[in-house]
Amino acid sequence: DADVTQTPRNRITKTGKRIMLECSQTKGHDRMYWYRQDPGLGLRLIYYSFDVKDINKGEISDGYSVSRQAQAKFSLSLESAIPNQTALYFCATSDPSGVTGELFFGEGSRLTVL
Amino acid sequence: QKEVEQNSGPLSVPEGAIASLNCTYSDRVSQSFFWYRQYSGKSPELIMSIYSNGDKEDGRFTAQLNKASQYVSLLIRDSQPSDSATYLCAGYNQGGKLIFGQGTELSVKP
Repeated sequence: DADVTQTPRNRITKTGKRIMLECSQTKGHDRMYWYRQDPGLGLRLIYYSFDVKDINKGEISDGYSVSRQAQAKFSLSLESAIPNQTALYFCATSDPSGVTGELFFGEGSRLTVL
Repeated sequence: QKEVEQNSGPLSVPEGAIASLNCTYSDRVSQSFFWYRQYSGKSPELIMSIYSNGDKEDGRFTAQLNKASQYVSLLIRDSQPSDSATYLCAGYNQGGKLIFGQGTELSVKP
């Protein structure tokens, strides 16, 4: 089983719908992240959490919200999806200190908003 | 200026050649850098990290950091078709967040 699991892997939805992407990890890491990836734009940070009670906005948080339900679970919500939120979304974790720089990524969730 | 910037490519090299991937960074980025490789349709994976000025070698890969010029590069010697992927440069900004460049697509032709 993957250490960082994302569900769903693929989702097609319509404008205005609420969508939740879920992430769970078995690595025991405190730090979790949500990134989105668009062609030519690399990975952009949406939200991050350094522990269960700590939630922080990233570069592009508008239109998104998150919930850290437990150390192992970090969910990303789109309250009212719009077409420009069509992208590949990655959840990632890092070790407690974060200083090694290594992020461990899930397999990605491809979201299409029509 | 973007905090971490790469040429998006694509970069095409023949098999066996040296592939050179470059990244520049702003003053808002700390002096620790990372190269991730991402195969098409897959998630990124860390292949190299470099924290101090100079070169760091790992097999066919060499990372180079030049703090004075604010650039970091990745050299891949004896490039193989299996090296064809997108390479992402990343560094920590002053807020402690890992920021990625746009990625450079590398194609190694047999």
